[in-house]
Amino acid sequence: AQSVTQPDIHITVSEGASLELRCNYSYGATPYLFWYVQSPGQGLQLLLKYFSGDTLVQGIKGFEAEFKRSQSSFNLRKPSVHWSDAAEYFCAVGMRGSASKIIFGSGTRLSIRP
Amino acid sequence: NAGVMQNPRHLVRRRGQEARLRCSPMKGHSHVYWYRQLPEEGLKFMVYLQKENIIDESGMPKERFSAEFPKEGPSILRIQQVVRGDSAAYFCASSLQGAGGGTGELFFGEGSRLTVL
Repeated sequence: AQSVTQPDIHITVSEGASLELRCNYSYGATPYLFWYVQSPGQGLQLLLKYFSGDTLVQGIKGFEAEFKRSQSSFNLRKPSVHWSDAAEYFCAVGMRGSASKIIFGSGTRLSIRP
Repeated sequence: NAGVMQNPRHLVRRRGQEARLRCSPMKGHSHVYWYRQLPEEGLKFMVYLQKENIIDESGMPKERFSAEFPKEGPSILRIQQVVRGDSAAYFCASSLQGAGGGTGELFFGEGSRLTVL
C-alpha cells in the first residue's frame, strides 16, 4: 500500500531564509506526487505536482520540488521564504490509474520568524 | 470562482444526532473525494465516488458513516449517531478525471467543521 511520511511536524525559519520540507513515499511503482498548502481555516491548494519527465518541478509562489527515485523522496524547496508562506504543507502520493485515491502525509507546519 | 462548495461550513451536533455534509464539485467534475482532518493531524482518505458509484470506501468507518453522489445534486457524507470523536474538519475534493489519470489534481473545498457536544 502507498504511504507518505513527512518527518518534520513543525519547522521555523527566518524570513528570507531558504526552506526545505522533507517528504518520503512508499509505493511499488513511480507514483504521482503532489505538494499542497493549507492556510488556517482554509482548504488545500495545489503548489506543484510531478507526473513524469523532468524530476525538478516548479510550482506556484516560488516553490519547487525534486523527485529522487533512488531515495523515494519529493522534497519541497524555496530559496527565500516570505511571512505569507506560514501555513501547513502536505505532501501527497497518488497511484497511476484513473480509479485511484490520493494519500496525504501528516503535514509540516511552517512558521516564519520575523 | 465556481470552485468546490461545501456546506455547512460549521455544524454543531449533540451526541446521538445525525450530521449531513454536502459537497458540490466543480462544474464538469464527476469524481469526488472525502477526507477527514482531525486536530493537529493530516488528511485521512475516507471515500472516493463517481456519479452514482462508490469507487473506494476503504477509509470509511464500518458503522455510522455513509456517502453518496447521486446523478443529480451534491455528494452527501452522512454520519449517524455522532460521537465526540467525530469532531473534525471534513474536506471534499473533486477532479475532472480520477486522481491517477489526467492532471490528477484535486480541487478542495474549504471544509465543513463538525463539533459534537
